[in-house]
Parts: sequence; C-alpha cells; structure tokens
Amino acid sequence: QAQLEQSGAEVKKPGTSVKISCKASGYSFRTYYMHWVRQAPGQGLEWMAIINPSGGSTSYAEKFQGRLTVTRDTSTSTVYMELSSLRFEDTAVYYCARDSSNIIPSYMDVWGKGTTVIVSS
Amino acid sequence: DIVMTQSPDSLAVSLGERATISCKSSQSVFKSSNKKNHLAWYQQKVGQPPKVLIYWASTRESGVPERFSGSGSETDFTLTISSLQAEDVGIYYCQQYYSSPKWTFGQGTKVEIK
Repeated sequence: QAQLEQSGAEVKKPGTSVKISCKASGYSFRTYYMHWVRQAPGQGLEWMAIINPSGGSTSYAEKFQGRLTVTRDTSTSTVYMELSSLRFEDTAVYYCARDSSNIIPSYMDVWGKGTTVIVSS
Repeated sequence: DIVMTQSPDSLAVSLGERATISCKSSQSVFKSSNKKNHLAWYQQKVGQPPKVLIYWASTRESGVPERFSGSGSETDFTLTISSLQAEDVGIYYCQQYYSSPKWTFGQGTKVEIK
C-alpha cells in the first residue's frame, strides 16, 4: 500500500535552513500531488505547499513565499521541502501528505509520520 | 482565505454516547461544477499523523468505522461519532479543499472520555 517515509529529526540554529525528504512507495509517484503540512507544538495543522510530482510545478502558502522551496526527484520517488531563514516559531513537526486526486488536488489520504524540526540557539 | 471554525474546542463524552463536532466555513465550499462540498475530516491521535475519516463532507474513507459520519453543506458541517469508543480519543480537524491551492484547517476539537 502507499507509504511515505520521512527523514529524521533536525535541530537547527535561527537563520539557517533545513531540508526534509519524503520518499514515496507503493504507488505511482508521478500520479498524485504531494502536500507539506506543519504542526507547531500543541497547535493545529497548517498547510504549507503542494507539488505536482509529474511536472514539478508548485504552489506555496503566502506566509512562506520566498523562504520555502519544494522539489522532487522522480528517479527516487522523493519529495523535498527546504525552509530557509529559520525562526524559533518554525519549530514544528513537518508532514508530507499525498493528495487523493490525480486530477484536481483535494484532500490528503496518505501521511508520512512527520519530521520534527527544532530551531534553537 | 477561507476560515474554518470548529466548535467546541473540546468535549468529553461517555463511552457509548454520541459525540458531535461542528465546523463552519467563512464562505461556501460547495462547487456547482461537481455538486460536491469540498470538506474533509481528519482524526489525529497522540503522537501520530492525521488520518482522513470523511471526504466530500459525507463519504467515509475505506476502513473507517460506520460510527463516524459526516453531514452538512455549503458553510455548516458536522462530524458525528454515534457511539464513542475508547480508541476514538484524539483531536479532530475539518479541512476545506475548495480554494485550491489555499487549503485551510479548523483549529481542532479535542475529544476525551468522560
């Protein structure tokens, strides 16, 4: 069945960057969009970005414009999320989540286990 | 952006009793093009990622117990757990996918056992 395996936890200093990976398996990677969603400690879910693994096109939430980059490597069925100029408030669990649709993006039906990013001086 | 507001923020229900969560959107999430409400419900247990329960406002995801049901249209939606079980403890989120690519979630409702 479809699975998403995320890279391990990271501890970063303010002002630096973090790059997280999400490796897909069990389904046709190019077919389904992929989202990134984050969750700060004790907080709710916040949508960050979406990528079309087929063509590589992306859309980002406005608040992350300019410091968020999502890419993919079709040869390894992996999506990457890089967040730069890290701030203390970027401390969160970051999830990749597969979109359920191969036509028009909709809801998320498969989630990775999450990657904890701690921003600390 | 479409703002999703859930109520209550938390609720405690006795085992076997009904739990009801409300979700209101700041604008309609019904698309006339496909005649569907673009609304999903997720369950998140402690230390786990979210899991989709309901999509298109009322379609149960495969494998989700029948005690979970979704209803509503346009701006007002409800998630009902007909008979609460111990394993249903967690936080529940509604999410709109009408305004792609600006997905938004409700703030979450924490469900506990009374």
